[in-house]
Amino acid sequence: AQSVTQLGSHVSVSEGALVLLRCNYSSSVPPYLFWYVQYPNQGLQLLLKYTTGATLVKGINGFEAEFKKSETSFHLTKPSAHMSDAAEYFCAVSGGETSGSRLTFGEGTQLTVNP
Amino acid sequence: KAGVTQTPRYLIKTRGQQVTLSCSPISGHRSVSWYQQTPGQGLQFLFEYFSETQRNKGNFPGRFSGRQFSNSRSEMNVSTLELGDSALYLCASSLIPGTDYNEQFFGPGTRLTVL
Repeated sequence: AQSVTQLGSHVSVSEGALVLLRCNYSSSVPPYLFWYVQYPNQGLQLLLKYTTGATLVKGINGFEAEFKKSETSFHLTKPSAHMSDAAEYFCAVSGGETSGSRLTFGEGTQLTVNP
Repeated sequence: KAGVTQTPRYLIKTRGQQVTLSCSPISGHRSVSWYQQTPGQGLQFLFEYFSETQRNKGNFPGRFSGRQFSNSRSEMNVSTLELGDSALYLCASSLIPGTDYNEQFFGPGTRLTVL
């Protein structure tokens, strides 16, 4: 069974500081990994996706994530936080033909950006 | 290209009633998945449909059902509503499940309140 663990339900950074949101996964098959962002009263927006190949994935809004198979991690980073980045972030995994598109999500990390 | 649309956006029902939620996927997407989001349980997978067939089902009681039409539009139904069914119900569509084109794009959700 696949699972995702996000370390830290709340992360607070200052505007302009590095953003680091942690995600570890477990999967019995090579996974697809995703990061989504959710703003209040909205659905989920895809930030980036890892399939296979390059381990550093670039996404929208300046975010990127690095896939480390040895650590089963897929941490999300952004060099300089902006006030508009304040939102909830979800790491998710899917994989294997039989699982289809089914996503298993982490618990989410609420990012606060302080002025 | 229009995104995923969900109707209605907000719904208030009473215990024991039933409800039907609707989802129109992105044009050309044939896979539709449904998720329930609550503060306590987070994001949980309900079911996935592809070409009018249910491919995957999450761990929800039989009161939760769904279907997909030939135009890929999907509906989910919850019968005999309980207070615990209050949640944000999210629909997502993807192009080809189980492949590198499996990223899911989410709609804004339907906020269901059960009184």
